[in-house]
Amino acid sequence: DSGVTQTPKHLITATGQRVTLRCSPRSGDLSVYWYQQSLDQGLQFLIQYYNGEERAKGNILERFSAQQFPDLHSELNLSSLELGDSALYFCASSVEGLGEQFFGPGTRLTVL
Amino acid sequence: DQQVKQNSPSLSVQEGRISILNCDYTNSMFDYFLWYKKYPAEGPTFLISISSIKDKNEDGRFTVFLNKSAKHLSLHIVPSQPGDSAVYFCAASASYGYALNFGKGTSLLVTP
Repeated sequence: DSGVTQTPKHLITATGQRVTLRCSPRSGDLSVYWYQQSLDQGLQFLIQYYNGEERAKGNILERFSAQQFPDLHSELNLSSLELGDSALYFCASSVEGLGEQFFGPGTRLTVL
Repeated sequence: DQQVKQNSPSLSVQEGRISILNCDYTNSMFDYFLWYKKYPAEGPTFLISISSIKDKNEDGRFTVFLNKSAKHLSLHIVPSQPGDSAVYFCAASASYGYALNFGKGTSLLVTP
């Protein structure tokens, strides 16, 4: 158990809908990262937050957004969903000054 | 473009023998490298890391070697055990606290 929690574990929805994925980092970790793993792809970095502020952006679509709250949990919002958004979404957290990121169990999103 | 490449999608090794997983990268700015292990339906689990100031790092049965001039790293597992059967991801970042760039993974099967 990495200490990073993600909910829900599975999500099935329809095209055009909007969903919110939630992540709670390990206790004390200020950085939260979101990654997407599509079929046949490695993990792709989406966005990073540090202590409530956006720190870095990767290949995140404009239909996707995220935020980190004062209690350090983070939410990834996916809107106008398309079939191609079906993927595993992982959240990771890390301690400032260390490189290892610790991953949650992921949310499997299926868009029908 | 894929900046971290794992050219072997799969590897099969007998129990007790050495497993060698390889990874190449293209971005000269990468100076921190990690290996993660992933079981189905779980998030990636951090295994071992190495910074660019070293060429070797050991942790128990796991050793990572870095050849900066060749932009190549490898993970050695000795001796291999059936419980090591999983997908192994190589990852790289520009520094601590930055997003990780992942390869597509190598599926390792250790047979009794």
